[in-house]
Parts: sequence; C-alpha cells; structure tokens
Amino acid sequence: TQLLEQSPQFLSIQEGENLTVYCNSSSVFSSLQWYRQEPGEGPVLLVTVVTGGEVKKLKRLTFQFGDARKDSSLHITAAQPGDTGLYLCAGVRYKLSFGAGTTVTVRA
Amino acid sequence: NAGVTQTPKFRVLKTGQSMTLLCAQDMNHEYMYWYRQDPGMGLRLIHYSVGEGTTAKGEVPDGYNVSRLKKQNFLLGLESAAPSQTSVYFCASRQTGAPDTGELFFGEGSRLTVL
Repeated sequence: TQLLEQSPQFLSIQEGENLTVYCNSSSVFSSLQWYRQEPGEGPVLLVTVVTGGEVKKLKRLTFQFGDARKDSSLHITAAQPGDTGLYLCAGVRYKLSFGAGTTVTVRA
Repeated sequence: NAGVTQTPKFRVLKTGQSMTLLCAQDMNHEYMYWYRQDPGMGLRLIHYSVGEGTTAKGEVPDGYNVSRLKKQNFLLGLESAAPSQTSVYFCASRQTGAPDTGELFFGEGSRLTVL
C-alpha cells in the first residue's frame, strides 16, 4: 500500500477546462512536494509546501497543503495541452515517499 | 547545463545477465538516489548515498548493488537480471540540508527490459 494515495489515476479533459488532483494520506508530513513528469523525461519539481493550510500559486496552478498536513491538492485553471503529463506528489516523513501519480491529458 | 545524466538510456538484457547503470551529476550534490518507476506504483527508492564512499538501502534494494566511489557518480548494478527488474530507472540528486524542502533533480531515465 502506498503511503500517499493520488486520485484520480487518470484524467482527460478538454483545453480550457479546470481540473483538480488530490494527494491523501493518513500520515502527517513535514512538507509535501509536487512534481510533473513528461513522457521520456524525469520528474521536475513544481512546488514545495511546508505549512498546514498553505496555498501556493504558480501561474494557472494552485497548490494547497491541508490544515493537518496529511493531504494536498493541485488545481489547474483553464488547462492547456502543455499541462499534459504525470503529476506526482511526494511527502516528507523522515524520508521522501512518492504517490503513484495522476496522468493528465489535455486535449486541444 | 547537463545536470543529472544517465547512461545507457535503453537496454535489453536476458535473464541472468549483469549490467551497470551510470549516473553522473555536475551540481556538486552530496545526496544521490536510484529509483525505479513502474506503472501504478510511482517511484520507489532502491538505494541512496549521502556522500562519497557511502551507500544505504532504500525500500526495494533486493537484486541491486550500488557504489559511490566519486562524488559525482552513482552506479547501480544488477548482478543477475530477472524479468521483475524490467522497469524505468531514475537517478536523482539533491543538495545537503533538511530533506523537507530539498529539491530532487532527476535524470531522464534508463529503460531496462529483461527477457
């Protein structure tokens, strides 16, 4: 069983629509990171959140860390084909653990 | 602008053969990691190193060995490959300091198929 559960596993939407990806756990994390991975490449860090309730924005991407530091969400507004990729959350609890990822496809 | 470089990018092995994956980083990072990525399972840590000459086991170390003879290089070896080791392998590195906020820099991956 994964320490971090991501949902949904797959998401396919039309360009311009909004989407939310969830990262949940029963454990408390000292911080949580979100990475994006494009086909044939390694993951690239998007953001790190460290404070419960923290919200960070990166252009059209909004990241939120739950108040209890057990969960996080990634919201994309007006998705574009360039947002297509595998989104991975990773939580630090003594060590870094990755979720299984959410594959996002944005159709033009 | 190389960052983390992995070689080879692709390899096909027969069961029982051995091979070594090489990871090189030019960022002077102390910490280096080897992960494997399988569908539906995310990234799982195989082995890691916190500095030259040190190695430690991750969550799935069986069937793999590693060495860190030079700070910039981290080698992953398979002594007797098995079909269960078919996967995409990623090397990553990061600076020293608290793991809470440290960014991992990944290579492009090495796709290994064991027949």
